[in-house]
Order: sequence, then structure tokens, then C-alpha cells
Amino acid sequence: AQKITQTQPGMFVQEKEAVTLDCTYDTSDPSYGLFWYKQPSSGEMIFLIYQGSYDQQNATEGRYSLNFQKARKSANLVISASQLGDSAMYFCARGYGGATNKLIFGTGTLLAVQP
Amino acid sequence: DGGITQSPKYLFRKEGQNVTLSCEQNLNHDAMYWYRQDPGQGLRLIYYSQIVNDFQKGDIAEGYSVSREKKESFPLTVTSAQKNPTAFYLCASCRTSMNTEAFFGQGTRLTVV
Repeated sequence: AQKITQTQPGMFVQEKEAVTLDCTYDTSDPSYGLFWYKQPSSGEMIFLIYQGSYDQQNATEGRYSLNFQKARKSANLVISASQLGDSAMYFCARGYGGATNKLIFGTGTLLAVQP
Repeated sequence: DGGITQSPKYLFRKEGQNVTLSCEQNLNHDAMYWYRQDPGQGLRLIYYSQIVNDFQKGDIAEGYSVSREKKESFPLTVTSAQKNPTAFYLCASCRTSMNTEAFFGQGTRLTVV
């Protein structure tokens, strides 16, 4: 079965430091997209960043960047200069089903930013 | 402001009852989705719809039903056939271009009492 694996159930980081959240995935699709979402305690899923499997460069979006290693099937999220508001659950997801844009999610990593 | 609105935020159901969760979007997106989230788990796809009057089963459709009579609306009914309905339900929408991000509502927390 195609699967998303997030091996870190919880992480701590000091405010203003960088943190890396791990994500590996299975797929046999030749083309696919990878997404990271943030889920604060309010429950809403907030889109952070997207990486296409054929993109030559790693995606960046403000303080978020994606360390994409296609051969290793990993798509780690890097958050630079952590802020207290970054404390939340973070989910890695992969698109499947072509243009149907269905998503398969990992189990998430709970990030706690300490002052 | 454009977005997705789910209601109610909290819902309590007695065993054996059907309940309907509302999802409305004003983003002019063709595609809409329902996901279920259980504690400590990621989201799982229940149903999705690519266009009005058409919808498809996702990975865990048993015990659920949907309709898509309007582009803006995609209600989910949790029927009495769903054996373990207590969960957090999230509605999402996106454009139908490949590999575009989904926008999510605030979610509905359903509890069976």
C-alpha cells in the first residue's frame, strides 16, 4: 500500500532556532505532488508548501523550505527561525489519483516551540 | 472573504441516528472532499466530488453518504450504518488542475452519545 511515514511523533525546538520534520513516502506514480499542512489546536488544516516530483529546485515559502530527495523518497520540512506560533501538528501529504487531487496523509508530528 | 465554512463545529448524535454535516465554499472550486481524522492519525478520504452531480467513494466510504447538487455545497451524512462515527471531520476544496493545494474548513467534531 502506498504510505506516508512521519517517524517523529513529537519534537521540541527553541524559539528562533531551525527544526526539520521528517517525511518519507511510497509511490509508484511517475509524477506526484508533496504537501505540508499545519494543524493548530483549532483544528483547521493550513497549507504551507508544495513540491512537485519533477521540480528541479527545492520549494521555499517564507520560513518554510522543503528538503526534497527524490531517490530516497523523502520530503522533509525545514522551519527556520521558529516562533511560538509555530507550535502545532504538522502533516506531510502526497497527492494521488492525478487531477482528482486526492491526498494521503502521514500521522503527523507535534511541534512544540519553547521560549 | 473566500473560504470554506463547516457547520456545526460540534455535533452530538445518539446511536442509531443519521446526522448531516454541512460544507459550503465560495472559492469557485470544482472539487470538494470529505476527510475523517481520528486521534493520533492522519486524515483519511471518505468521499470526493470533481463536479456538480457527481461524486466518488474514497478509502473509507462505508456508512457515509454525500450529495453535490450545487457547486458551493457538499454535505456529508453519517448514517447509522457507520459503526464508529466519533471523529473530527474536515471538508476541503481545490481547483481541478493537477497537484494543486486543498483548502480546508474548520472541521466538525462529531461525538456519539
